[in-house]
Amino acid sequence: GNSVTQMEGPVTLSEEAFLTINCTYTATGYPSLFWYVQYPGEGLQLLLKATKADDKGSNKGFEATYRKETTSFHLEKGSVQVSDSAVYFCALILPPLGFQKLVFGTGTRLLVSP
Amino acid sequence: EPEVTQTPSHQVTQMGQEVILRCVPISNHLYFYWYRQILGQKVEFLVSFYNNEISEKSEIFDDQFSVERPDGSNFTLKIRSTKLEDSAMYFCASTESEGNTIYFGEGSWLTVV
Repeated sequence: GNSVTQMEGPVTLSEEAFLTINCTYTATGYPSLFWYVQYPGEGLQLLLKATKADDKGSNKGFEATYRKETTSFHLEKGSVQVSDSAVYFCALILPPLGFQKLVFGTGTRLLVSP
Repeated sequence: EPEVTQTPSHQVTQMGQEVILRCVPISNHLYFYWYRQILGQKVEFLVSFYNNEISEKSEIFDDQFSVERPDGSNFTLKIRSTKLEDSAMYFCASTESEGNTIYFGEGSWLTVV
């Protein structure tokens, strides 16, 4: 079946550290890939996305590259801030995009300390 | 920025009771969804809704669940007779059209005791 696997959290970092959250997927076709973020007390927000192999999604200093050969979509940020503390969800949608059923990973909590 | 709003934010209910979770999707959106996340587990798709009917549902979405768009603005999820295992965060979501970003609400945390 189609699934997403994320590294377990929490990930605890100091401010300005480099962040990597691993995400790998299993899919029967060629999915579109997403990172969603949930800040405390808020809903899921789209952080970035990539729709085909070798695409790089980026937003707010975060980046992720769609790697078809390793079926991965790892999230990176060069220098995290306290305000980045949140839960990060990797997800995929399989084409055709009709009705867009997202398949999520379990989420990875990031804690950034000053 | 427009947002999806959900009520209540938290509800505690006794096993066997009916629960209705409410959502107001973004006004020009046409596709609506419910997802849920049991504590410590993945966010799971429950149901999608388009053109006033269910377009897809998961195996979780059994006869105890129903959805409705009663008045053109609200989108509700009803659980007819709650079970302990229904305790979860329920997320409503909507999108304008196929291929567009899906916007999520803040979630409704349901605790069944």
